[in-house]
Amino acid sequence: EAGVTQFPSHSVIEKGQTVTLRCDPISGHDNLYWYRRVMGKEIKFLLHFVKESKQDESGMPNNRFLAERTGGTYSTLKVQPAELEDSGVYFCASRETGFGPDTQYFGPGTRLTVL
Amino acid sequence: AQSVTQPDIHITVSEGASLELRCNYSYGATPYLFWYVQSPGQGLQLLLKYFSGDTLVQGIKGFEAEFKRSQSSFNLRKPSVHWSDAAEYFCAVGADTGFQKLVFGTGTRLLVSP
Repeated sequence: EAGVTQFPSHSVIEKGQTVTLRCDPISGHDNLYWYRRVMGKEIKFLLHFVKESKQDESGMPNNRFLAERTGGTYSTLKVQPAELEDSGVYFCASRETGFGPDTQYFGPGTRLTVL
Repeated sequence: AQSVTQPDIHITVSEGASLELRCNYSYGATPYLFWYVQSPGQGLQLLLKYFSGDTLVQGIKGFEAEFKRSQSSFNLRKPSVHWSDAAEYFCAVGADTGFQKLVFGTGTRLLVSP
């Protein structure tokens, strides 16, 4: 069974440009999460989808970030326009069940560098 | 609010020596606790988890962790470290309600010396 995949693995862009990150969850997993790790700090929650609906977007830093999950399969996270402080590693995770304890499976992450 | 503290940013252990990585959490109700590992160039891999029951949890790669409610701790241990264990280790806590977004510690980077 394929794990969570993310594309690209690395992205280097100039300040003010737009970048779109993609996440493909494990097949059949309705729950999809985005997290971010800014250098030297903890991994922080950004938002959570249940199928195509945003369940919790309390961690999104500002309106320059837009996440979508059309059709409830893969998800994209767009940063427009990118700022220097957006640099970091963006992780995607998926989980099968809804409420209650279960494991989140993480992808390899996308390392974003904004110059 | 939930929080996780990993007090050690870096730890160096000799190959074959024992290892203990510390994790303290703050959460008012029953926590769900996880340890993840990130090896260079890899994603976050689940080592072990605690949801309920036996407070000593066995994981992959010979790791174990013990949940101590009185100390709000979930320390990770391994009796004999291998060079391939060099990686960054993250402790995380999930809520026992809702959809369980995870709160992570800042991570501990493990270096293994020959």
